[in-house]
Amino acid sequence: EVHLVESGGGLVQPGGSLTLSCAASEFTFFTYWMTWVRQAPGKGLEWVANIEKDGSDRYYGDSVKGRFTISRDNTKNSLYLQMNSLRGDDTAVYYCVRGGFSLDWWGQGTLVTVSS
Amino acid sequence: EILMTQSPATLCVSPGERATLSCRASQSVNNHLGWYQQKPGQAPRLLIYDASTRSTGVPARVSGSGSGTEFTLNISSLQSEDFAIYYCQQYYYLPRTFGQGTKVELK
Repeated sequence: EVHLVESGGGLVQPGGSLTLSCAASEFTFFTYWMTWVRQAPGKGLEWVANIEKDGSDRYYGDSVKGRFTISRDNTKNSLYLQMNSLRGDDTAVYYCVRGGFSLDWWGQGTLVTVSS
Repeated sequence: EILMTQSPATLCVSPGERATLSCRASQSVNNHLGWYQQKPGQAPRLLIYDASTRSTGVPARVSGSGSGTEFTLNISSLQSEDFAIYYCQQYYYLPRTFGQGTKVELK
């Protein structure tokens, strides 16, 4: 069974930085686009960013463009999200998701809380 | 950015009844539309992709239809495990966008 495990979440002050990681297993990681999706407490789903199979193309949602960077290391079967200039409205559970179009497998998420 | 609008916001249904959920896109997304189910405390799960293709393990009572700007998710004969929030998502344009969700709750 596909396994996606996020890590790196936690409490960070406004203006701070955080890097999320996602360890993937039980599938051929380098053959899939990957995506980050977030969900603020009690709210709906928000698409954050995705990255092409070899990392050559990356796309971002408007609310994170210029502040977040998605990357991957296919030698480590890992996906990352570098988050800078964090704001209160970045507080959310961040999901690592397989796919760049339909999203067919989701991790359990990691909570990021931006607060002073 | 493509706006996805789901209706109704809440749907009250009795077990065994049929649920019909709608999703409208602000521009045509062809058939590049997925439906997801999310239960409390859990990650979302893909139910339908390409507007009408069931994902692995999704029961036949769940079906999707539509193309262009109008889409429908039908759940015939609701079971207890179907009470959840459902989201649609377009993947024709970047950025990808989700609807705000429809909560299916017990009547």
